[in-house]
Amino acid sequence: DGGITQSPKYLFRKEGQNVTLSCEQNLNHDAMYWYRQDPGQGLRLIYYSQIVNDFQKGDIAEGYSVSREKKESFPLTVTSAQKNPTAFYLCASSILPGYEQYFGPGTRLTVT
Amino acid sequence: GQQVMQIPQYQHVQEGEDFTTYCNSSTTLSNIQWYKQRPGGHPVFLIQLVKSGEVKKQKRLTFQFGEAKKNSSLHITATQTTDVGTYFCAGRGAGSYQLTFGKGTKLSVIP
Repeated sequence: DGGITQSPKYLFRKEGQNVTLSCEQNLNHDAMYWYRQDPGQGLRLIYYSQIVNDFQKGDIAEGYSVSREKKESFPLTVTSAQKNPTAFYLCASSILPGYEQYFGPGTRLTVT
Repeated sequence: GQQVMQIPQYQHVQEGEDFTTYCNSSTTLSNIQWYKQRPGGHPVFLIQLVKSGEVKKQKRLTFQFGEAKKNSSLHITATQTTDVGTYFCAGRGAGSYQLTFGKGTKLSVIP
């Protein structure tokens, strides 16, 4: 059963804590992406990775960090430096950079 | 940087009416993709347009790419309640692998 999994679906954290969101794919895709979705804002790119051990900042990378040690995995850490972390986070992958993207089910993060 | 504007932000239609959403880029695009996100769900890829003036159809959905490759549209004929959701365009700039998403058009269909 191929696809992208994100866990957990809902996540609650206290302000000042770092939190890591999981993203795993078994589609053998080279490229992976993290987006943030806020009401009325569409999808904004946080980080993307075109290949293992390489990643680039997107439009809103401040306060976030990523790693890409394995082709299948692209975890996102939301640090305490992110001023407004409460949002819906979507992970996506594509067979190659620029191709159609397949999205995971998302993680809804609430920080209080 | 590249900007992709999408209008309208919201659209309410009676079931059976047509619907159109428009996408405009500040720069020439190498391609444009369209996605649909159902309420509570995640975006799902619908189609990609690459050629200037390209028109593609999927049943009641018609997608167009402008001659200058800076604008695109999605038209739905005779909407159904299953069409409810948010439709996003995403443009890929020339020489870039990055997609820039529009803010989406949220479609509501009144039965």
